[in-house]
Amino acid sequence: GQQVQQSPASLVLQEGENAELQCNFSSTATRLQWFYQRPGGSLVSLLYNPSGTKHTGRLTSTTVTKERRSSLHISSSQTTDSGTYFCAINMGYKLTFGTGTSLLVDP
Amino acid sequence: DMKVTQMPRYLIKRMGENVLLECGQDMSHETMYWYRQDPGLGLQLIYISYDVDSNSEGDIPKGYRVSRKKREHFSLILDSAKTNQTSVYFCASRRQFSNERLFFGHGTKLSVL
Repeated sequence: GQQVQQSPASLVLQEGENAELQCNFSSTATRLQWFYQRPGGSLVSLLYNPSGTKHTGRLTSTTVTKERRSSLHISSSQTTDSGTYFCAINMGYKLTFGTGTSLLVDP
Repeated sequence: DMKVTQMPRYLIKRMGENVLLECGQDMSHETMYWYRQDPGLGLQLIYISYDVDSNSEGDIPKGYRVSRKKREHFSLILDSAKTNQTSVYFCASRRQFSNERLFFGHGTKLSVL
């Protein structure tokens, strides 16, 4: 089956620092997406990035499909960025999630 | 209004009782999902629905069944709930054949005692 692994499992930053989250997956046909979940909340789609580099606000995702990896860079982190970040790969209708990176940004 | 609504938000049941979790969406999305989320395991796919009366098992369908009689409504049913089905359940939807945004509900926290 599909495997999606994320690292690190958790990360603590001071406000203003940058964060780098990693996602490795087992298939080259990924149609990869990044999601955010605030503590105790629902999931929100951040970026759809099947390949190359995509930006939105302070977020930059780079996916190298043939190396089966993607990264999410958060620049100038804020306390409101705290939460869990998931990557997910899409094969047909099925969306398989990684186990997430828990980010805590201290003031 | 682009919303996925789950009911109820919290539910406590005894082992062996039947459980009905409901999900509605107002975007006429063809595709809907049920996931469960447990600490350290991320989200696990239970069932996918492609449209009315067109459902498919996900990765962990055992102990669950679903019903989709209207496009905007997708139900998850636990017949004779077990304690290991204690979890947070999320419903999600998106347009068919779309890589676009997946919309999630706020989740239902189910405790089976």
